[in-house]
Amino acid sequence: AQKVTQAQTEISVVEKEDVTLDCVYETRDTTYYLFWYKQPPSGELVFLIRRNSFDEQNEISGRYSWNFQKSTSSFNFTITASQVVDSAVYFCALKETDKLIFGTGTRLQVFP
Amino acid sequence: EPEVTQTPSHQVTQMGQEVILRCVPISNHLYFYWYRQILGQKVEFLVSFYNNEISEKSEIFDDQFSVERPDGSNFTLKIRSTKLEDSAMYFCASSETEIYNEQFFGPGTRLTVL
Repeated sequence: AQKVTQAQTEISVVEKEDVTLDCVYETRDTTYYLFWYKQPPSGELVFLIRRNSFDEQNEISGRYSWNFQKSTSSFNFTITASQVVDSAVYFCALKETDKLIFGTGTRLQVFP
Repeated sequence: EPEVTQTPSHQVTQMGQEVILRCVPISNHLYFYWYRQILGQKVEFLVSFYNNEISEKSEIFDDQFSVERPDGSNFTLKIRSTKLEDSAMYFCASSETEIYNEQFFGPGTRLTVL
């Protein structure tokens, strides 16, 4: 069965620290899509990135970077020089047919 | 920037009552979805909708739930007879295509069943 595991329930860091959020997935599909969403305290779900299984290139967007490794079925998300505004719950998700299968989320708290 | 909108932001209802949650997807999107998130838990898929019919639904989406696209812009989720356990945040999402595009989520409707 398709599954997404985010083993880190909650992470606390001090501003300017780097932090990595782990995501491990299970799928039988040879082509699949992975996503990260951010849920700030206001509650909405904000799309951050999509990664296709056939593209293993890592991606950097400002302070955000993503490390996709098919060999370990992981799609980890690193925030460099964290800021208080990064405080949110971060969800990793796997696309299965029509739907997104979400992990349980990692709550990141960044303290000043 | 186009966005998904949802109304109301918060709905309080009595157990057994019918509720309709409304969504306006992004205008050129063709695929529509409802998800729910019980407080403090993960986001769960309810249903997907394309070409005026349900394309997939989860076990949660039983006979008490229905979806409709009554006109060219709205997408609604109806719960016929609400239960206490239906209390959750309900998110609408839309995507341009189904295969690989990201789904864009609305701000959610918090449903409280008393």
